Amino acid sequence: DAGVIQSPRHEVTEMGQEVTLRCKPISGHNSLFWYRQTMMRGLELLIYFNNNVPIDDSGMPEDRFSAKMPNASFSTLKIQPSEPRDSAVYFCASSPWTGTVNEQYFGPGTRLTVT
Amino acid sequence: LAKTTQPISMDSYEGQEVNITCSHNNIATNDYITWYQQFPSQGPRFIIQGYKTKVTNEVASLFIPADRKSSTLSLPRVSLSDTAVYYCLVGDRDRDDKIIFGKGTRLHILP
Repeated sequence: DAGVIQSPRHEVTEMGQEVTLRCKPISGHNSLFWYRQTMMRGLELLIYFNNNVPIDDSGMPEDRFSAKMPNASFSTLKIQPSEPRDSAVYFCASSPWTGTVNEQYFGPGTRLTVT
Repeated sequence: LAKTTQPISMDSYEGQEVNITCSHNNIATNDYITWYQQFPSQGPRFIIQGYKTKVTNEVASLFIPADRKSSTLSLPRVSLSDTAVYYCLVGDRDRDDKIIFGKGTRLHILP
């Protein structure tokens, strides 16, 4: 199994540009999570999908952030417009179980730099 | 959701047993305790989960006293490759709690 796949691995963009991060969960997993990690705030859960349906998006920082899961094998996290404070490592994780407390399998992350 | 407190950092030497303690004084009856490990430039990796007493797998042991207000992750005979950040999390699996990773414990293994 290839594990959770994220792309791109690194993204550098200018303030105001649209950024789209992509995630392919492990086949058969029905839960998907997007996290953001910074030195200041640590690892924060942004949004959680179960069976492609958003269950909890209370962690999404503001309207500039949106996430979709059009099918069981693909999800995107979009930031529009991007700002320097969005610079962080964004992780996608998936799980064969429901909920955040059960074991999650994390991808390698996308390091986003907004200049 | 129960708040967890763990040391910010720890140092140890190769070959030693390392114990990282996490405090969760307001743990609820149905909460489970979970530990993750994160190496630099990688996503977190699940290590172990338990509810009470002791849980052991090929990587670590988790000790939970009877009052469950704390837990200890034990790593036997650590090596340099065990240098990582270790996170303690508490939550109810059935209630679909939203877990909080926090800052974790930065473990540094010295030769």
